[in-house]
Amino acid sequence: GEDVEQSLFLSVREGDSSVINCTYTDSSSTYLYWYKQEPGAGLQLLTYIFSNMDMKQDQRLTVLLNKKDKHLSLRIADTQTGDSAIYFCAERVEGSSNTGKLIFGQGTTLQVKP
Amino acid sequence: DGGITQSPKYLFRKEGQNVTLSCEQNLNHDAMYWYRQDPGQGLRLIYYSQIVNDFQKGDIAEGYSVSREKKESFPLTVTSAQKNPTAFYLCASSIGRGQGTNQPQHFGDGTRLSIL
Repeated sequence: GEDVEQSLFLSVREGDSSVINCTYTDSSSTYLYWYKQEPGAGLQLLTYIFSNMDMKQDQRLTVLLNKKDKHLSLRIADTQTGDSAIYFCAERVEGSSNTGKLIFGQGTTLQVKP
Repeated sequence: DGGITQSPKYLFRKEGQNVTLSCEQNLNHDAMYWYRQDPGQGLRLIYYSQIVNDFQKGDIAEGYSVSREKKESFPLTVTSAQKNPTAFYLCASSIGRGQGTNQPQHFGDGTRLSIL
């Protein structure tokens, strides 16, 4: 079945790098997404990667994809207190109905200490 | 600015009452979605609609109903049959272009529903 797993909590010091990990089970995933949720708000799309790519970099964000191990990570360089939020990994699974349906992980709470 | 508007931001429901959450988008997206978020959990799909006048049940549709009479609107009704409605409800939309294409979902700011 479809499942996405994330660790629940990560704490880092301001200025350090953060690495948030995600594993998924469905090998037919096409696109994988990272979303950020600040308290009381909706989800903000941070970045995405297509399944035939290994890496994507966008300013302070680096996404690594190991398709063999079904492992996705998000690295945030020079983490700031404003990066404190919940980060969700999501996979888009292709199916006959083509719903554009996303499967979300439980979210990783990132705490950035000054 | 283009985006997704959810209203109200906070909503209270009495026992036995139906309540309706509004979701409007001006992104010209075909597909719209409703999710429920409980503390410490990911998002669970309630209903989705790929096109006007059509919608499908998600993973937790019981106790909810939707309509899609207009492309830009996808209201969610939480009925009295939903015995544990307290949660944060998120509406999303995507372009709905086709299979194999990048279709990120864009989210509204959510409605927090509580029981009185």
